[in-house]
Amino acid sequence: NAGVTQTPKFQVLKTGQSMTLQCAQDMNHNSMYWYRQDPGMGLRLIYYSASEGTTDKGEVPNGYNVSRLNKREFSLRLESAAPSQTSVYFCASKDGYIQYFGAGTRLSVL
Amino acid sequence: EDKVVQSPLSLVVHEGDTVTLNCSYEVTNFRSLLWYKQEKKAPTFLFMLTSSGIEKKSGRLSSILDKKELFSILNITATQTGDSAVYLCAVYTGSARQLTFGSGTQLTVLP
Repeated sequence: NAGVTQTPKFQVLKTGQSMTLQCAQDMNHNSMYWYRQDPGMGLRLIYYSASEGTTDKGEVPNGYNVSRLNKREFSLRLESAAPSQTSVYFCASKDGYIQYFGAGTRLSVL
Repeated sequence: EDKVVQSPLSLVVHEGDTVTLNCSYEVTNFRSLLWYKQEKKAPTFLFMLTSSGIEKKSGRLSSILDKKELFSILNITATQTGDSAVYLCAVYTGSARQLTFGSGTQLTVLP
């Protein structure tokens, strides 16, 4: 009964390094989302995927790319990390109107 | 631009108190409003509200929506230390593909 699983849980990068955040859901949901959460700013949408094979930009897509690998998996890539990308990243999948969230990845870019 | 505003930003109460958290919104083509509770990690779903005036209730928590005045409230009665969390309000608009979140209310319940 895993739900939405994110890896890694923590990551420290140096400016300019790249990395991919992984997300997988086992609930057979069509829609998946990537958010970032910064202090005092709630959750902001980076990218989403309404179904396998489609992706769309959210509110803050600059500096990120995504891949909807299959129905289960939706990855977020930082090609050249910047200190402004220090944040907590959440993946979610949607059933009807309800979004279910993973436990988050805490990313620090030095 | 769609906007969701929560108040207060933070609140400290003692066990047994009753609290009211507020969420107002200015959006085009409102579809539904959701409340989430966020402790240390992932936000967890509490309520979804679509119609005005119909109270949703779960134990000590309840919520109601006013679509004319464009706000929702979340009430917690007889608060417990386990209610300490950030409470997030979010709104679906249009095709209901994207949620717009407020910045949250940090609730601290002291023993």
